[in-house]
Amino acid sequence: QSALTQPASVSASPGQSITISCTGTRSDVGTYNYVSWYQQHPGKAPKLIIYDVNNRPSGVSNRFSGSKSGNTASLTISGLQAEDEADYYCSSYTSSSTIGVFGGGTKLTVL
Amino acid sequence: EVQLVESGGGLVKPGGSLRLSCAASGFTLRSYSMTWVRQAPGKGLEWVSFITSSSGNMYYADSVKGRFTVSRDNTKNSLYLEMNSLRVDDTAVYYCVRDLKGRFYGDVWGQGTTVTVSS
Repeated sequence: QSALTQPASVSASPGQSITISCTGTRSDVGTYNYVSWYQQHPGKAPKLIIYDVNNRPSGVSNRFSGSKSGNTASLTISGLQAEDEADYYCSSYTSSSTIGVFGGGTKLTVL
Repeated sequence: EVQLVESGGGLVKPGGSLRLSCAASGFTLRSYSMTWVRQAPGKGLEWVSFITSSSGNMYYADSVKGRFTVSRDNTKNSLYLEMNSLRVDDTAVYYCVRDLKGRFYGDVWGQGTTVTVSS
């Protein structure tokens, strides 16, 4: 199963906004709205922050938002805070496999 | 409190076997599809296996197909992963994950159990 493509790292200062891209194909992101995003702090289990492209689970800050255009999904974090520093992973259902696919992960550094 | 607790990890030699268990509490396991996700040291996440709520369907990553078997016992609120013919590249933290909508949305994660395959 081919991984979705994410930038290896992004950085920004507190209060700023960032966007992390997640590029797939017509077999996954481009056709299905089954995209999710996860936040993972060092040594911790991942946490679901976005599902169905742009829905937030209960308790997740509205500073996190998701979108999709063509084969690329995006996660936007507004009003960056120090605690947002973490690794972020996208995931999608894919028709080219019976199992889901993750992106390679993006390390967010809050300067 | 909704919780998943994995157990069964450890050190095993290449070619060996392990059985991971996941105990669910705080929710009705039979209402959810469940998955296993792994993370090799310093690497990203990988969906390993998926099992529907009634065990009607099981799916696997190509990397483990034919070697790993996922199962569940809803009466015991438990999920299992039988791992055979283990290889060095199976070394990872294995997470038990509840799937929110059967679309690979992991909304509840265990703390993970470490599997190390080494001679």
